Amino acid sequence: DSGVTQTPKHLITATGQRVTLRCSPRSGDLSVYWYQQSLDQGLQFLIQYYNGEERAKGNILERFSAQQFPDLHSELNLSSLELGDSALYFCASSVGGLNYEQYFGPGTRLTVT
Amino acid sequence: KNEVEQSPQNLTAQEGEFITINCSYSVGISALHWLQQHPGGGIVSLFMLSSGKKKHGRLIATINIQEKHSSLHITASHPRDSAVYICAVRDTGNQFYFGTGTSLTVIP
Repeated sequence: DSGVTQTPKHLITATGQRVTLRCSPRSGDLSVYWYQQSLDQGLQFLIQYYNGEERAKGNILERFSAQQFPDLHSELNLSSLELGDSALYFCASSVGGLNYEQYFGPGTRLTVT
Repeated sequence: KNEVEQSPQNLTAQEGEFITINCSYSVGISALHWLQQHPGGGIVSLFMLSSGKKKHGRLIATINIQEKHSSLHITASHPRDSAVYICAVRDTGNQFYFGTGTSLTVIP
């Protein structure tokens, strides 16, 4: 158990809908990272927050947005969902910025039908 | 074009064998990560390195910055090492690139 929690574990929704994925980092960790893992694209980095501020941005679509709240939990919002958004979404946390080891959550499996 | 290439894609070994997984990358990096993903899907970060060599138990990771190459070694492999091993790099612009993974099966 990494200490990083993600909810929900599974999510099934229809195309065009909007969902919110939640991540609680390990106690004391200030950074949160979001990743997407799909069968055809593999793992992709989406975005990183450090203490509430966006620090690094990867291949995050405009339909996706994220934020980190004052209590350091983070949410990833996915809107206008498409079949291709079906994937595992991982959150990771680290005590500091990008030069620190990351601890991964169990992931949220999103299925868009 | 893949910024990170791993080899082999698949690897089957007998328990006790010494295993090497290779990773080559084409970008300038700030750090390289080795990740382990078990069949259930969970990901564990094994190593983060920017130079030299690191060792955790039976696992050893090395990196050669000049050659843009890293290796992950597993000594005395065990069936519980069966997993997908993923190499990832963070470039100097803080972008992450991932290899497609090496699927390792260790047979008792």
